[in-house]
Amino acid sequence: GENVEQHPSTLSVQEGDSAVIKCTYSDSASNYFPWYKQELGKRPQLIIDIRSNVGEKKDQRIAVTLNKTAKHFSLHITETQPEDSAVYFCAASIRNNNDMRFGAGTRLTVKP
Amino acid sequence: DGGITQSPKYLFRKEGQNVTLSCEQNLNHDAMYWYRQDPGQGLRLIYYSQIVNDFQKGDIAEGYSVSREKKESFPLTVTSAQKNPTAFYLCASSSERRNTIYFGEGSWLTVV
Repeated sequence: GENVEQHPSTLSVQEGDSAVIKCTYSDSASNYFPWYKQELGKRPQLIIDIRSNVGEKKDQRIAVTLNKTAKHFSLHITETQPEDSAVYFCAASIRNNNDMRFGAGTRLTVKP
Repeated sequence: DGGITQSPKYLFRKEGQNVTLSCEQNLNHDAMYWYRQDPGQGLRLIYYSQIVNDFQKGDIAEGYSVSREKKESFPLTVTSAQKNPTAFYLCASSSERRNTIYFGEGSWLTVV
């Protein structure tokens, strides 16, 4: 089955800097890649997603890039703010949500 | 997101007891899921259900049971057979039309 690895496990940046989180997946048939943000003790919330027919997607300060050949995708946050501090999860699925697999998460800390 | 309600938020279980976590959604989603979250790990799928009266085991179903008698409800029972049940449990749902998974607020289960 699909295996998703996520790096780094923790990331600390200064406010205003950029943050990049990377994920790799094992199954070349995966075609949907969402990113979730989870604040402490709260539910994960979808912040951006990308499908395999697109190489990049942006939404304000957040962007996701996908390299299908290398089987990796990345989350980019620009102009980071303290409220960006949270745990971020990547995920990958092939056909439907039953086979969606999540990375272990990255704890991002943005220092003011 | 606000359409998925989990209860209780915090639950304590004694050794040998079964406990049931409630999950209700008013999003008219067909599919529902239960995930377990442990510190430093991603979300792991316990059970999922695509339609009423049908459900399937996920990656870590041992020691858990579910039912899907109504489209809106997908309760999870943590049985005494689950040897390490202390974790954060997330219920989720999704529609057929989109891959997006929406999560509930989660339930903290602690064995005392």
